[in-house]
Amino acid sequence: GAGVSQSPRYKVAKRGQDVALRCDPISGHVSLFWYQQALGQGPEFLTYFQNEAQLDKSGLPSDRFFAERPEGSVSTLKIQRTQQEDSAVYLCASSPGLGREQFFGPGTRLTVL
Amino acid sequence: KQEVTQIPAALSVPEGENLVLNCSFTDSAIYNLQWFRQDPGKGLTSLLLIQSSQREQTSGRLNASLDKSSGRSTLYIAASQPGDSATYLCARRISNFGNEKLTFGTGTRLTIIP
Repeated sequence: GAGVSQSPRYKVAKRGQDVALRCDPISGHVSLFWYQQALGQGPEFLTYFQNEAQLDKSGLPSDRFFAERPEGSVSTLKIQRTQQEDSAVYLCASSPGLGREQFFGPGTRLTVL
Repeated sequence: KQEVTQIPAALSVPEGENLVLNCSFTDSAIYNLQWFRQDPGKGLTSLLLIQSSQREQTSGRLNASLDKSSGRSTLYIAASQPGDSATYLCARRISNFGNEKLTFGTGTRLTIIP
């Protein structure tokens, strides 16, 4: 009966490195979301999956950002050639279905040096 | 671009007082609105979800209202406690079919003084 889990909780990367952030949604939740939260700001939408289909990726800031959910459960957010402006907390959320409440994980804090 | 506004950015009140947090949004095409709390270094905890057809929702000492016509929602906290200290965020979902993303405000940082 666990909630949404994310790993790692903290990640430090050197500028130019690739990183992969993992999200395990609540079992049975068909919708999965990624958000980016800068310090002192509210979360900003990145992308959204319905099962394995990526239905909205309008919030991804550049083509260096890529997300997948190949089997409709676990999702990975990948950032290639990280830049300092990518430093933020990356939050994952899941939902039982359309228009339903979203439940958030603890986030991954990414620091790019 | 922030389409959801929360004022004030920070608020301090003595323990035991009732308080109201404000959230305003610019478009009336709202599907639902969700209130969250966020503790330092933690993720978001969902507090209340109000559908566009509802006027208010209650959970324990919390009551959230929604006024679509004025573009406002309020979160009322009764008999505040030090454990209520956190950042409170509101987020709205618009009504376009398939548009599931939440748009968040910047939050109100609440401190309850013992």
